Amino acid sequence: LAKTTQPISMDSYEGQEVNITCSHNNIATNDYITWYQQFPSQGPRFIIQGYKTKVTNEVASLFIPADRKSSTLSLPRVSLSDTAVYYCLVGDQNTGKLIFGQGTTLQVKP
Amino acid sequence: NAGVTQTPKFRILKIGQSMTLQCTQDMNHNYMYWYRQDPGMGLKLIYYSVGAGITDKGEVPNGYNVSRSTTEDFPLRLELAAPSQTSVYFCASNWRLEETQYFGPGTRLLVL
Repeated sequence: LAKTTQPISMDSYEGQEVNITCSHNNIATNDYITWYQQFPSQGPRFIIQGYKTKVTNEVASLFIPADRKSSTLSLPRVSLSDTAVYYCLVGDQNTGKLIFGQGTTLQVKP
Repeated sequence: NAGVTQTPKFRILKIGQSMTLQCTQDMNHNYMYWYRQDPGMGLKLIYYSVGAGITDKGEVPNGYNVSRSTTEDFPLRLELAAPSQTSVYFCASNWRLEETQYFGPGTRLLVL
């Protein structure tokens, strides 16, 4: 099962672009990479998912290099409401397990 | 669609008591998961299921049991509650591993 490593915390200012990188050196061929956002006292919420190259939706972009050993979540022009914990997950296609890493606490300042 | 529902929302248990946390999803999802989240910490996988009749241990299964007799329901059983089990418990489900994982609102458990 691919273990993920992320920075514990990051600070940013409103209007800036934030990039959070996740390392998953042991990712298997069929594994997908998923990012979640969690606010205090709430369950995690899906942000974006990808397999390779680049994926973009209305809230974020996900960049995955060719070797897939890392991925970068990009949040354009963050606001105070983006202050949250962000988790990178790699699902184990063989077993069905989905294990969360320690997450990155993003603090957006005015 | 109600999505993923969990009951109860909050419970206080005495040490040694037992209880079952209920989780139901109405999306016909194959995969279901139980996580616990201690204050200020990340989520830890307790048990998971890839379909009715199939369950497996996660990272922290000790002190818990699960069953999956139907696609919709995935109850989590605590047999002998201990203070270390004070946590927020989240149930989640998805159709396939590469699909979005939907979370319930959580059950806050306090063991005294």
